[in-house]
Amino acid sequence: EAQVTQNPRYLITVTGKKLTVTCSQNMNHEYMSWYRQDPGLGLRQIYYSMNVEVTDKGDVPEGYKVSRKEKRNFPLILESPSPNQTSLYFCASSPLYRTEAFFGQGTRLTVV
Amino acid sequence: DQQVKQNSPSLSVQEGRISILNCDYTNSMFDYFLWYKKYPAEGPTFLISISSIKDKNEDGRFTVFLNKSAKHLSLHIVPSQPGDSAVYFCAAASDRGSTLGRLYFGRGTQLTVWP
Repeated sequence: EAQVTQNPRYLITVTGKKLTVTCSQNMNHEYMSWYRQDPGLGLRQIYYSMNVEVTDKGDVPEGYKVSRKEKRNFPLILESPSPNQTSLYFCASSPLYRTEAFFGQGTRLTVV
Repeated sequence: DQQVKQNSPSLSVQEGRISILNCDYTNSMFDYFLWYKKYPAEGPTFLISISSIKDKNEDGRFTVFLNKSAKHLSLHIVPSQPGDSAVYFCAAASDRGSTLGRLYFGRGTQLTVWP
């Protein structure tokens, strides 16, 4: 089954404690991206990757890091989380950035 | 500055009638437009797309219209069904310039279809 898998689904952490949200896709897609969804703000792109070892900033990259060492995986790293990073996060993959994207189920992160 | 705008946060429609969701954009370099639907506690799912060389694309009950001169697109759902109740996001992308590779989303419109 074609899918994008994010882990964990829910996470509560404390300010400053490094964390990683994993994302994996099984469709051999070139393009992967991360979004955060906040009330009244819709979906905002954090980082994206056009291919292995190729990543770039989206709209709201501050406080986040990503890596793309393998085609299937695109982890999101928060080196020092802060409360303003409390949000719902989605990973997505697609053959190209402008084609149909498959989204993961989301990760609800709370930073206290 | 938001490049894709959905100015109606919510829309309520009776079952069987037409739902029209609107989206405006500011960047004339956008070449592709997509609509996604999102249910609570799930990730968005792709609905329909259109490229800037077309002005209409149809898929079953869903039709997207693009008016490039007005920088406006709309999603028509006919007939609307209760299962269509969800948040609908408009998104745009470009093959050119500094926006290559980026995908811009609107803030979404909550559609409620009542029996």
